[in-house]
Amino acid sequence: DAGITQSPRYKITETGRQVTLMCHQTWSHSYMFWYRQDLGHGLRLIYYSAAADITDKGEVPDGYVVSRSKTENFPLTLESATRSQTSVYFCASSESQAGANVLTFGAGSRLTVL
Amino acid sequence: GDSVTQMEGPVTLSEEAFLTINCTYTATGYPSLFWYVQYPGEGLQLLLKATKADDKGSNKGFEATYRKETTSFHLEKGSVQVSDSAVYFCALSGNTGRRALTFGSGTRLQVQP
Repeated sequence: DAGITQSPRYKITETGRQVTLMCHQTWSHSYMFWYRQDLGHGLRLIYYSAAADITDKGEVPDGYVVSRSKTENFPLTLESATRSQTSVYFCASSESQAGANVLTFGAGSRLTVL
Repeated sequence: GDSVTQMEGPVTLSEEAFLTINCTYTATGYPSLFWYVQYPGEGLQLLLKATKADDKGSNKGFEATYRKETTSFHLEKGSVQVSDSAVYFCALSGNTGRRALTFGSGTRLQVQP
């Protein structure tokens, strides 16, 4: 499928478990991003990546780990899930050319930590 | 740092009413400004954008003008439809080089028939 896909779409886990959310894009966009969406906070940036093997922290990186061994994939791992990480997670990508920076988003992954 | 402030919702309107959703921003330099829309159960979609002062972004009957003097980017539509019911996010792309967007908290619009 063309575009940006996230999996799983829905996940329920328990406190302390490791969870990985997957993100795959087919455009070969250089930049990829992970945001979390919470009521009253809008979207907050967790991590971003400018290219394969280049990642950096956003506003709320604590408790999360990312990797980017291939341009098309940008998985997000919660090493030991906590209830405060219950949220909807969105992956996005954008091209590297200069100009208005348009992000294209996936459909989201809803994570519940019990 | 960069920030975006939008009016709180929900905003409830009758079909064919005029819509304004206020958005103001704080950023250094000359950011690009965006409105994204999120329909229930979906990801965010770009609605419109503006890259420099006095630019007007428009799409699907929605408009927003980049006002540097008031640091604002208010979203307007002359006649809303039930299908416009969604959450609207104002966002900016600053000059940090990381190319991420900074989002406002979102405004839910409910349009009643």
